[in-house]
Amino acid sequence: NAGVMQNPRHLVRRRGQEARLRCSPMKGHSHVYWYRQLPEEGLKFMVYLQKENIIDESGMPKERFSAEFPKEGPSILRIQQVVRGDSAAYFCASSPTLSGRLSNEQFFGPGTRLTVL
Amino acid sequence: DAKTTQPTSMDCAEGRAANLPCNHSTISGNEYVYWYRQIHSQGPQYIIHGLKNNETNEMASLIITEDRKSSTLILPHATLRDTAVYYCIVLGNTGKLIFGQGTTLQVKP
Repeated sequence: NAGVMQNPRHLVRRRGQEARLRCSPMKGHSHVYWYRQLPEEGLKFMVYLQKENIIDESGMPKERFSAEFPKEGPSILRIQQVVRGDSAAYFCASSPTLSGRLSNEQFFGPGTRLTVL
Repeated sequence: DAKTTQPTSMDCAEGRAANLPCNHSTISGNEYVYWYRQIHSQGPQYIIHGLKNNETNEMASLIITEDRKSSTLILPHATLRDTAVYYCIVLGNTGKLIFGQGTTLQVKP
């Protein structure tokens, strides 16, 4: 069973460009989370999604950031008009539903390192 | 979700047990204690979790005090590869993990 996959692993963008980060959850997992880790800082929750639904986006910046988890395909974190402060590692995690209840055991991907020039 | 307090850093000799404490005095009855670790900027790795009973798996043991206000993660035979930042997280059914600063464990030869 493959783990959580993220691509690209490294992404370089110039200021003002768009960044699209992809996350494929583990097979059978229907819950996806995105976290951001700024240089020399801790991990911060951004958004929690289920298939076709945003459950909690309390950690998402109000502008330029959006996330989706379509019925088919990977979850996408999209950052429009990137700025240098967006440079960070972005981690995706997935978790299953066990016995009808959310399992909080989250499995993390290797992350995407975004560098904005 | 309740707040946790952990020491900033700890050292441990290779082959010895590493005991990592965590205080969570405001934990409520339906909140679990989770432990994750992050090895040098890799994705965080789930270690173990518990509600009130002690738990053990192939990676570690989790000891939770009877009043549930604190817990200890035990790595029974630490290796150099266990050097990492260890996070203690108290979690209800909200789905999101709130990471603090964690404890940086340095395992030394």
